Amino acid sequence: GAVVSQHPSRVICKSGTSVKIECRSLDFQATTMFWYRQFPKKSLMLMATSNEGSKATYEQGVEKDKFLINHASLTLSTLTVTSAHPEDSSFYICSATLAGGPSLADTQYFGPGTRLTVL
Amino acid sequence: TQLLEQSPQFLSIQEGENLTVYCNSSSVFSSLQWYRQEPGEGPVLLVTVVTGGEVKKLKRLTFQFGDARKDSSLHITAAQPGDTGLYLCAGVDGYALNFGKGTSLLVTP
Repeated sequence: GAVVSQHPSRVICKSGTSVKIECRSLDFQATTMFWYRQFPKKSLMLMATSNEGSKATYEQGVEKDKFLINHASLTLSTLTVTSAHPEDSSFYICSATLAGGPSLADTQYFGPGTRLTVL
Repeated sequence: TQLLEQSPQFLSIQEGENLTVYCNSSSVFSSLQWYRQEPGEGPVLLVTVVTGGEVKKLKRLTFQFGDARKDSSLHITAAQPGDTGLYLCAGVDGYALNFGKGTSLLVTP
């Protein structure tokens, strides 16, 4: 149980276009989803925390107008990278927490990640 | 954001050797987690340690949480090529996970 999927797994786009990445909790309801960014052989950097039905909370330094997050249901959150540029190329990973879990932070289930390459 | 330092950053050993990875912080965490990540995939949770001084074992992996809950270690006994990957520690800080920079482990046959 507690499987999180991401789609697509890989995407290549031209500079200036927008890309949408989906994060789904397949067999559980997720009140909170997190979006991370990871550079090659580097750690995961939290970008934003997304709660179902409300606006996402962005970490310092993350442009909310560039990285649009929508969490419309308890099983789906989307990250849209708007007007993508080569520096946005990265590995984007989402995680989801079980609704009603005892501790939101330490019950995160991670998706397999999406590799974004902007040409 | 509370910083977590991991050492070593890279480690290349031969099959059968033992190794220890360290995760240190100046901050106290309510709990700490260790993850293993393979290239192109998301991290997979190995263990959560909660109590200061706690020791948990997962087959050949031994995890220890420092008494002050600021640091942790991961010890692998008789490493195997299948242990190759990026090992990440993450401190639980309220609703978020603060990840260390990771230790990239390569175990060669």
